[in-house]
Amino acid sequence: DTAVSQTPKYLVTQMGNDKSIKCEQNLGHDTMYWYKQDSKKFLKIMFSYNNKELIINETVPNRFSPKSPDKAHLNLHINSLELGDSAVYFCASSQDRGVLAKNIQYFGAGTRLSVL
Amino acid sequence: KQEVTQIPAALSVPEGENLVLNCSFTDSAIYNLQWFRQDPGKGLTSLLLIQSSQREQTSGRLNASLDKSSGRSTLYIAASQPGDSATYLCAVTEGAQKLVFGQGTRLTINP
Repeated sequence: DTAVSQTPKYLVTQMGNDKSIKCEQNLGHDTMYWYKQDSKKFLKIMFSYNNKELIINETVPNRFSPKSPDKAHLNLHINSLELGDSAVYFCASSQDRGVLAKNIQYFGAGTRLSVL
Repeated sequence: KQEVTQIPAALSVPEGENLVLNCSFTDSAIYNLQWFRQDPGKGLTSLLLIQSSQREQTSGRLNASLDKSSGRSTLYIAASQPGDSATYLCAVTEGAQKLVFGQGTRLTINP
């Protein structure tokens, strides 16, 4: 069983469209994250949710909206897609109890988004 | 603002050699430092996590050190194998479990 799964793995779409990426974790973790890896391979955090509550919201255009229906799911909806949104988007999760210094983040395989 | 830098950006060595990857960070207020491996088309796999109070961690042929006061970490790989070829990412954990990544070192082990 895949611990953190993302769908779809590949997404090709036209500028201006709206799309969603789904993420699910079966690890029983409390916190989930979205990261963006750009063409230069730089990974940057976008959002994190803890028990369905938004914790981290980096400087991300408001066209990006995360939604957490329950603590095992964190979906990313993107409105009015632009060329610059082309990247690989990674979902991750971690268990944030006890000593925070020990918490490892587990990553999904990524969703490669190409905006044409 | 935390900045994480990895040197070198790419490294190619013959199989069997020992090697060191370097990571530096600008703000020592971290919970931990993690080394990840990223294979093409795949997600990240956590290799080692060093808590801010620790100096090193070992797993098999991998040894990671942390000098928080100087803002440096190294990942030592012993007896390298072609299967070690991947991109290695260093990341520090700040408040609210925010990971700040370096740009990675692309490692190639030549048979």
